[in-house]
Amino acid sequence: GENVEQHPSTLSVQEGDSAVIKCTYSDSASNYFPWYKQELGKGPQLIIDIRSNVGEKKDQRIAVTLNKTAKHFSLHITETQPEDSAVYFCAATYTGRRALTFGSGTRLQVQP
Amino acid sequence: DGGITQSPKYLFRKEGQNVTLSCEQNLNHDAMYWYRQDPGQGLRLIYYSQIVNDFQKGDIAEGYSVSREKKESFPLTVTSAQKNPTAFYLCASSVRDSAFGYTFGSGTRLTVV
Repeated sequence: GENVEQHPSTLSVQEGDSAVIKCTYSDSASNYFPWYKQELGKGPQLIIDIRSNVGEKKDQRIAVTLNKTAKHFSLHITETQPEDSAVYFCAATYTGRRALTFGSGTRLQVQP
Repeated sequence: DGGITQSPKYLFRKEGQNVTLSCEQNLNHDAMYWYRQDPGQGLRLIYYSQIVNDFQKGDIAEGYSVSREKKESFPLTVTSAQKNPTAFYLCASSVRDSAFGYTFGSGTRLTVV
């Protein structure tokens, strides 16, 4: 069935280090892969997304890479800062459903 | 400012009672969605609607109902048939025929007492 696997579930890094979160999907026809950041008690906010015709996209300290052959995509955050601490969700579209399927989330903690 | 508003922020319900969660958007988005969030399980799709007077079940629709009488509004009713309703509920909207660029509301935390 439709599924998005996300790892790790928790990630702790030192300020200034890089963080990487990985997701895999099962539908080879999936064509849209967004990443959302959720702060405590708030709704998720879109931070970056990538479509299937692109292998990598960057926005300042954030980048997303997509490997369609292996059906996985990753979020890379460089030079992490304490304000990057939050829960991050990946998501994917699936054939026949006009709604996103989300991963289980990664709690990122950046230690000052 | 355009946005999506969920109310109330906190809601308490007695077992056996139905309760309706409100979701209103002024983004002129055609599509709206309801997700449930539980610790460690991410966001699970309850219902979604692409146009007025039409909606589809998601992965966990049992015990929930929705209506879409207006483009701006997509209320979710948690019925007494929902066995474990305590959760954080999130509403989102997007342009029609697309799951691109969801805008989420700030959520409603429902607790059954």
